[in-house]
Amino acid sequence: NAGVTQTPKFQVLKTGQSMTLQCAQDMNHNSMYWYRQDPGMGLRLIYYSASEGTTDKGEVPNGYNVSRLNKREFSLRLESAAPSQTSVYFCASSVSALDPTYEQYFGPGTRLTVT
Amino acid sequence: TQLLEQSPQFLSIQEGENLTVYCNSSSVFSSLQWYRQEPGEGPVLLVTVVTGGEVKKLKRLTFQFGDARKDSSLHITAAQPGDTGLYLCGRGSQGNLIFGKGTKLSVKP
Repeated sequence: NAGVTQTPKFQVLKTGQSMTLQCAQDMNHNSMYWYRQDPGMGLRLIYYSASEGTTDKGEVPNGYNVSRLNKREFSLRLESAAPSQTSVYFCASSVSALDPTYEQYFGPGTRLTVT
Repeated sequence: TQLLEQSPQFLSIQEGENLTVYCNSSSVFSSLQWYRQEPGEGPVLLVTVVTGGEVKKLKRLTFQFGDARKDSSLHITAAQPGDTGLYLCGRGSQGNLIFGKGTKLSVKP
C-alpha cells in the first residue's frame, strides 16, 4: 500500500517547455488535488477533482491543466513553463471533497525548477 | 486572499521548552485541521477539530478550537528535535482546504 505516489521527484525545465506531473493513489479515494508550495506562501490549491470525471479550478489555476485519467490517477500539465512556476508540487487525495473534515493524504512532492 | 493567519512565522527553541502556535481567521470555520510537514516530505494530518471549545490531545501536543470557531492553537509540551517541521492549519472551504502559510519550528538538542 504505497498511498500517494508522484513522479518525477525532481525536474528542471527551460522556459516554454511542457511537461506532465503524474500522481496515483491506491486508497480508493474519490477526490484528488494538486497544490503548489512556495516559500512564505503555504499550500495553494491549483486544481482538484471531486470525483472521477470531474475537475475544478482552485486558487491558482492559470498556466496549468489537469486530467483525471481514472479513479487512481490525476495528472497536472504545464503547457508552456514559466519561471514563476518554479515550485514544489504536491498531489493529495481524500475520501470525499464534499466533507473537508476528511484527511487529505499527500504525496512526497515534485520539485520543479524553470530556468 | 489569505484567509488564515498563522503565528509566529518562525520559532526556534531548545529541547524541553514549551511552545504555542496560533491559527486565526476573521470568519467562522466549519472545521480546522492541523498538519505537520517535515523537510522534503508532504504534510501529514495531526488532528481535525469541528466543535467550538474542543480540546484534543495527541501525546505532548494539545490542540484547542476557539469557542467562536475563529481561532485555534497548538501547544507542544517539552519539545523534542523530532517535533521540528512546518505546522500548517487548514480550514474547510467549499469542499476543500484553505491553508495558512505555516509556522516553521526548529527544536535544537
